[in-house]
Amino acid sequence: DAGVIQSPRHEVTEMGQEVTLRCKPISGHNSLFWYRQTMMRGLELLIYFNNNVPIDDSGMPEDRFSAKMPNASFSTLKIQPSEPRDSAVYFCASSLAGGSGEQFFGPGTRLTVL
Amino acid sequence: SQELEQSPQSLIVQEGKNLTINCTSSKTLYGLYWYKQKYGEGLIFLMMLQKGGEEKSHEKITAKLDEKKQQSSLHITASQPSHAGIYLCGAQFTGGGNKLTFGTGTQLKVEL
Repeated sequence: DAGVIQSPRHEVTEMGQEVTLRCKPISGHNSLFWYRQTMMRGLELLIYFNNNVPIDDSGMPEDRFSAKMPNASFSTLKIQPSEPRDSAVYFCASSLAGGSGEQFFGPGTRLTVL
Repeated sequence: SQELEQSPQSLIVQEGKNLTINCTSSKTLYGLYWYKQKYGEGLIFLMMLQKGGEEKSHEKITAKLDEKKQQSSLHITASQPSHAGIYLCGAQFTGGGNKLTFGTGTQLKVEL
């Protein structure tokens, strides 16, 4: 299995631009998680889905952030408009709901907003 | 997260020395997960503990969960340069579904 796939790996954009991060979970996994990692705040859960349905989005910072999961093999995290404080590494993880709970992480997308 | 405290924040040890990292929760845990992260990479799963008093080992790494299920420790015996990285504990709480709340991490450096 290729593991969790994220794209792009690096993104540099200017303030005000729209940013879209993509994630392909491990085939067969039915839970998907989006995290943000910064030096100041550590690893924070933004939102997670079970069976393509958003279950908990309490970690989404504000309305500029949105996430979708149109099918079991694809999810996006969009930031519009982006701000310099959004600069961070964004991780996607997937797991099998009802299993051991182990989450498998992707390599992350390093976002820099100038 | 204030729900989960991890200590120490950073650790420098000489190769061959033992070390312990602690993770303390303000609430009773349903499950506790240990992950390792190398700089610029994703998290790698190490171990998961669920029962009070449980202990698991993998190679030279041992993780324990106390009887009250509020504190976990990760112990590395005879540390090696390959153990260097950031160690994070992730907590699963009852009623929280399958989401994890992570500690702030412990950065480990192993000196030759």
